[in-house]
Amino acid sequence: EAGVAQSPRYKIIEKRQSVAFWCNPISGHATLYWYQQILGQGPKLLIQFQNNGVVDDSQLPKDRFSAERLKGVDSTLKIQPAKLEDSAVYLCASSLEGRVQYFGPGTRLTVT
Amino acid sequence: KQEVTQIPAALSVPEGENLVLNCSFTDSAIYNLQWFRQDPGKGLTSLLLIQSSQREQTSGRLNASLDKSSGRSTLYIAASQPGDSATYLCAVPGSSNTGKLIFGQGTTLQVKP
Repeated sequence: EAGVAQSPRYKIIEKRQSVAFWCNPISGHATLYWYQQILGQGPKLLIQFQNNGVVDDSQLPKDRFSAERLKGVDSTLKIQPAKLEDSAVYLCASSLEGRVQYFGPGTRLTVT
Repeated sequence: KQEVTQIPAALSVPEGENLVLNCSFTDSAIYNLQWFRQDPGKGLTSLLLIQSSQREQTSGRLNASLDKSSGRSTLYIAASQPGDSATYLCAVPGSSNTGKLIFGQGTTLQVKP
């Protein structure tokens, strides 16, 4: 069974630029999560989807971050414009009906 | 608001030693607790999941315990090996019961040959 796929694996951008990350969850997993992990900290949930609907986006900085999951499968997370403090690893996870979450390898973002 | 704390932040031990990682949480109304492993540049791998009705869960050389009343969990690693070097994270479900996880900051373990 293929795991959660994410791309790109690494991205370096300058502040005020925009960036997008892509996630392909495990086939059949209705729930998809985006977490932000700043160096030295545990992951923090940014947004959670159930199929193509948003369940929780309470910690998503909506002035600069957006996410979508239009067909209830793949998802993209966008940052526009990026700030230095957005430097982090962005982890995507998926689960079957809110059970055990399976994590992708993450995208490491560096904002200079 | 649920908060999860892990102590110590980093730990270095010689190969073969038994060790304990600690996790504490502020809200004891949890229905499970999970331990993850994270290797550098990689995602998270689930190691053990303890349901609230359980007190222990074992997998190979790993044993996790849960004491809900005191808000604590421990991960015991027996006979540590250099391959155990990684960051270990504990996580509990958020209070909204949507599947969201609240993570501790992790303990980075180095096992020296």
